[in-house]
Amino acid sequence: GENVEQHPSTLSVQEGDSAVIKCTYSDSASNYFPWYKQELGKRPQLIIDIRSNVGEKKDQRIAVTLNKTAKHFSLHITETQPEDSAVYFCAALPRSGGSYIPTFGRGTSLIVHP
Amino acid sequence: DTAVSQTPKYLVTQMGNDKSIKCEQNLGHDTMYWYKQDSKKFLKIMFSYNNKELIINETVPNRFSPKSPDKAHLNLHINSLELGDSAVYFCASNPGLNTGELFFGEGSRLTVL
Repeated sequence: GENVEQHPSTLSVQEGDSAVIKCTYSDSASNYFPWYKQELGKRPQLIIDIRSNVGEKKDQRIAVTLNKTAKHFSLHITETQPEDSAVYFCAALPRSGGSYIPTFGRGTSLIVHP
Repeated sequence: DTAVSQTPKYLVTQMGNDKSIKCEQNLGHDTMYWYKQDSKKFLKIMFSYNNKELIINETVPNRFSPKSPDKAHLNLHINSLELGDSAVYFCASNPGLNTGELFFGEGSRLTVL
């Protein structure tokens, strides 16, 4: 099955700095890589995703890059704000096989200090 | 309208009891899931249910059983509750097995005393 590793587990930055979270996956058949943000006491919500036919995707202050050869993908947040503080999860979804179970990384707790 | 709804939101119970958590989605999605989120925030897949096909994470104890009366519902039954079952349980749905975004319910916080 798929195995997703996520680093770092905790990331502390000053407001205005950039934040980068990295993930690796094991199943080369995975073709969809979403990122979820979970605020304290809330449900995880999708913030950005990327498919394997694209190397980079950007949405305002957030961007995701994908390196299929190396099997890793990253989330980049620029000009961080205190409201970006949350736990961020990467995930991978295999393209084929008997099961298509979204597999999550262990999460990164991002703290943005004002 | 809430897309994925779970009940109850909070559940406090004694060890050894049996409890259920209900989940309903009004998105017309084909696939539903149950995830367990422990105190370290790890989201661990428990079950996936699509078109009457149940895929079970083999590490989940058989005290846990999903029940799907129809495509819009996937309930979670837990027998003989243990202290380690305390966690937040999230139901989620997805349009199809490999078509993208998961829509999560608000979560059900289970505390076993």
